[in-house]
Amino acid sequence: QLQLRESGPGLVKPSETLSLTCTVSGGSIRRDIYYWGWIRQPPGKGLEWIGSINYSGSTYYNPSLKRRVTISVDTSKSRFSLKLNSVTAADTAVYYCARHYAIVGDYNNWLDPWGQGTLVTVSS
Amino acid sequence: SYELTQPTSVSVSPGQTASITCSGDKLVNKYVCWYQLRPGQSPLMVIYQDKKRPSGIPERFSGSTSGNTATLTISGTQALDEADYYCQAWDSSAVVFGGGTKLTVL
Repeated sequence: QLQLRESGPGLVKPSETLSLTCTVSGGSIRRDIYYWGWIRQPPGKGLEWIGSINYSGSTYYNPSLKRRVTISVDTSKSRFSLKLNSVTAADTAVYYCARHYAIVGDYNNWLDPWGQGTLVTVSS
Repeated sequence: SYELTQPTSVSVSPGQTASITCSGDKLVNKYVCWYQLRPGQSPLMVIYQDKKRPSGIPERFSGSTSGNTATLTISGTQALDEADYYCQAWDSSAVVFGGGTKLTVL
């Protein structure tokens, strides 16, 4: 059974870089039909997609976050990572990783399963 | 940017049918999926490709579409179905979520 687990600091200072890693187990990260995505949920707010990457490093990013986001993949360790720079209090959220079904030219697109999520607080 | 619109809240009595809508421009040309978020738990996909149910999701969850509106229907709603529900689509190479609907079972 595929499982994803987020890891990283729970507290980041304003203006610094938020770094998280998602480790994939129970399945291969090297599947053509899947990307691997990051999603967040600020307290009391809705879900916001951050971006996704496939095993070869091809990426999709949320246009509103693209300037500050870098997603990378390490297939040898079956994990992918998120870096969000110049963070502010508005970046405080529960961050989730998820497997992302996405095929070029196909509107059939979904995220499943998800990791348990990790709360990242931006505060000095 | 593309937007998906959901009602903020929906209430239903136990055993009754709950319907949550999701509308968007030219949504008829896209596929919609639905996620359930319970407090303290990971999001769970309950419907994908408009109306398909993932393995392990109870039959009381169903999806449908009509024009530019997708609907998540929960038949025989149970107390444990109380949660936030989000629709999601793909547009211009980006994942788009609806604003979420809080389903209250009372």
